[in-house]
Amino acid sequence: EAGVTQFPSHSVIEKGQTVTLRCDPISGHDNLYWYRRVMGKEIKFLLHFVKESKQDESGMPNNRFLAERTGGTYSTLKVQPAELEDSGVYFCASSQVDRRSTGYTFGSGTRLTVV
Amino acid sequence: AQKVTQAQTEISVVEKEDVTLDCVYETRDTTYYLFWYKQPPSGELVFLIRRNSFDEQNEISGRYSWNFQKSTSSFNFTITASQVVDSAVYFCALIEIGDSWGKLQFGAGTQVVVTP
Repeated sequence: EAGVTQFPSHSVIEKGQTVTLRCDPISGHDNLYWYRRVMGKEIKFLLHFVKESKQDESGMPNNRFLAERTGGTYSTLKVQPAELEDSGVYFCASSQVDRRSTGYTFGSGTRLTVV
Repeated sequence: AQKVTQAQTEISVVEKEDVTLDCVYETRDTTYYLFWYKQPPSGELVFLIRRNSFDEQNEISGRYSWNFQKSTSSFNFTITASQVVDSAVYFCALIEIGDSWGKLQFGAGTQVVVTP
């Protein structure tokens, strides 16, 4: 089966611009998560979808970040307007049912650089 | 407060040396899950192992081994006879049973550099 796909792999944008990251989970996985790693720090949870519904968005940094998952398939994470501190690697992960015990399948991440 | 601590930021070893990565966690739940992930230079997060809190048996998988000690809240990872391909960032992570949505809580990661 295809894995979790993230696009783009790298993005360099100027402060104030908008960027949209995309994640295609494994087909049939209802749970989709976004995580972020800021340089040298831990990977932090951003939000969690079950199908198209946001179940937990407690990790979203502020209202410049908007996540959607139309139709419960792929998800997008938009940053508008981007700030320097938004730079980091954004990971997407998906899982099917028992997320607590099996963990997730992660994508390769999108490296975002805001200059 | 950070629940998973990986105190070693970077470890450099010469090929064939053993390397141990420390992971200390904090939770009030009696049931929880611990994980190790590897992030090679290519960027993806690769699942290595999952342990539940009721299984304290140490595990060996090839050159990898894990030592789970509930008494010290540690879940350490050892690479035996390291190879250059082991160079990566390694993350320890925790899922608490009390978190109904199963968020992974990661440590800051340990960069392992293996030189020939």
